[in-house]
Parts: sequence; structure tokens; C-alpha cells
Amino acid sequence: EAGVTQFPSHSVIEKGQTVTLRCDPISGHDNLYWYRRVMGKEIKFLLHFVKESKQDESGMPNNRFLAERTGGTYSTLKVQPAELEDSGVYFCASSQGLAEEYFGPGTRLTVT
Amino acid sequence: EDQVTQSPEALRLQEGESSSLNCSYTVSGLRGLFWYRQDPGKGPEFLFTLYSAGEEKEKERLKATLTKKESFLHITAPKPEDSATYLCAVRDATSGTYKYIFGTGTRLKVLA
Repeated sequence: EAGVTQFPSHSVIEKGQTVTLRCDPISGHDNLYWYRRVMGKEIKFLLHFVKESKQDESGMPNNRFLAERTGGTYSTLKVQPAELEDSGVYFCASSQGLAEEYFGPGTRLTVT
Repeated sequence: EDQVTQSPEALRLQEGESSSLNCSYTVSGLRGLFWYRQDPGKGPEFLFTLYSAGEEKEKERLKATLTKKESFLHITAPKPEDSATYLCAVRDATSGTYKYIFGTGTRLKVLA
């Protein structure tokens, strides 16, 4: 069974540019989560989808971040315009209900 | 406020030298404590879920235990391949959300 996949694995952009990260969850997992790890800090929650609906977006830093989940399948996280402090590793995870979450390999975003 | 603290930050062991990692937590109502292993450049890999005080789970050389305030990950006779960062996360039952709250992790290095 395929795990959670994320694309790209690494992105380097300049301040002010736009970047879109993609996540494909495990097939059949209705719950999809985005997290971020900034250098030296713990992994922090960004938002949670149940199917195509946003269940909790309390961790989104500001309105430069926009997440979507088309048809309850894959999800995208867009950062527009990117700022230096957005650099970090963005993880996507998926789960069946309240069961454990399975994480993707992450996308390392570097904003210069 | 929900909080997860892991100790030590880093640990070096000789092969075969058993030890324990600690995860202390403060949540209003625990809806699961989760242990993950993370290798460099990869996403967190699920190890265990514990739900109630007194619960224990085992897998190969790893054993996780839970009390009302903390969890321990015991590593018996570790091997070099056990070297990784071990992460602890909790879910808070009263927050109305499924999100994880992570600790900063313990970096384990096992020397041959």
C-alpha cells in the first residue's frame, strides 16, 4: 500500500514569490493534516481536513497560506507571497478517524 | 495550555546499553499519546499509541509506557540502527480537534 506522498521534496524560492505544495494521502483516509517544522523548533499543526472540509485551521499563520483539498483526495498548500520566516519543512499526514497519523516525507521550503 | 516536553534532548548510547526516553505532557484530557521515530530527511514513522495510564506497548527492542503525567520509551539492548530522533505527540480530548501537539524530540545515537 502506498504511503503519503508529497511534492516537491525541496523548493527554493525568492521572497515574494508563490509556492504550491502538494500532498497525496493514503487511499481511503478521510483525515488529512498539514504540519510545519521550523529550524530548531517542534513540529507544529497548521490545519486539518475531513474529506474536502476544513475541520480546524487554527494553526495557519496568516492569510498568505491557503490550503485546499479537491474532492476529498489530494491537498495543496499555497504560500503567496512567501516570506523568509516561511522557510521550514512542511509535512502532510493522513489518518482513519482518530487512529494514528501517517506522515509523508515532507517538503523542505527555503525562502531567500 | 497543552504542552509536551521531551528529555533528554540528545542521548548517546553504546550498543547494548539500555536506556529510557521521557515525554512529559500537560493536556486537559488525553485522547492518545503517540510515539514516532524520525530518520534524517524523512517524515515521522509511527511506533505506538497509548490511551490510558498503565497501558504498555512493545515492538522489538522498544517498549512504551504511560502514566497520568508522562510516557517513557524504553530501549533495551539498542543497536546502531535504532539511531534516530524519537518524537512524542499528544491529542487533547477537550480541544474538539484531532491535531497533534508535538515535543521537540530526543536525538538518539547508538554507537557500535
